[in-house]
Amino acid sequence: EADIYQTPRYLVIGTGKKITLECSQTMGHDKMYWYQQDPGMELHLIHYSYGVNSTEKGDLSSESTVSRIRTEHFPLTLESARPSHTSQYLCASSESGRGMRETQYFGPGTRLLVL
Amino acid sequence: DQQVKQNSPSLSVQEGRISILNCDYTNSMFDYFLWYKKYPAEGPTFLISISSIKDKNEDGRFTVFLNKSAKHLSLHIVPSQPGDSAVYFCAASARGGSEKLVFGKGTKLTVNP
Repeated sequence: EADIYQTPRYLVIGTGKKITLECSQTMGHDKMYWYQQDPGMELHLIHYSYGVNSTEKGDLSSESTVSRIRTEHFPLTLESARPSHTSQYLCASSESGRGMRETQYFGPGTRLLVL
Repeated sequence: DQQVKQNSPSLSVQEGRISILNCDYTNSMFDYFLWYKKYPAEGPTFLISISSIKDKNEDGRFTVFLNKSAKHLSLHIVPSQPGDSAVYFCAASARGGSEKLVFGKGTKLTVNP
């Protein structure tokens, strides 16, 4: 099972501010993901990475950006926060290969409120 | 168009009884299915999975059943405990390509003492 850490857990910020949500995992997983989830709704994939220097946009359009400079670190950045960005952001990682289907393991999430 | 559907937003059961959570899917390419449990303000926790080559997988109190012809799976929790109260998400992926997970909207389970 993966150990995945997200900071901050909660963030209240004003409109127009730049924010970075941190995500780190200690298991050396090559795949990492960012999801956005609102209450009563499904998790929507907004970004994913299959390794260092690899990033792709997910199924849900997002104004955020990500980077993957190190295997263990996958931060998400919003250049200018807006109230519409208010949501819970969940980071996940998984290990691929070995002929097994992957299971994604999630961090505790960051709950973002933009005023 | 939702490819993974959990049509019951909520379910309430008595402690000690069986909880049955249902999930339907539309994409016939899905061949791997997972259940996650989520407490408020926390990330989802992996519970159990099943491959399409099986029709049942069991882990302790949790059993997942897969009916491929009906494109339906269910999670059984026996016996249910108050600590099981959470939102349960069904997810699916297809072999090949990116194997990204597609999630349902979740079912909120309440187990009453």
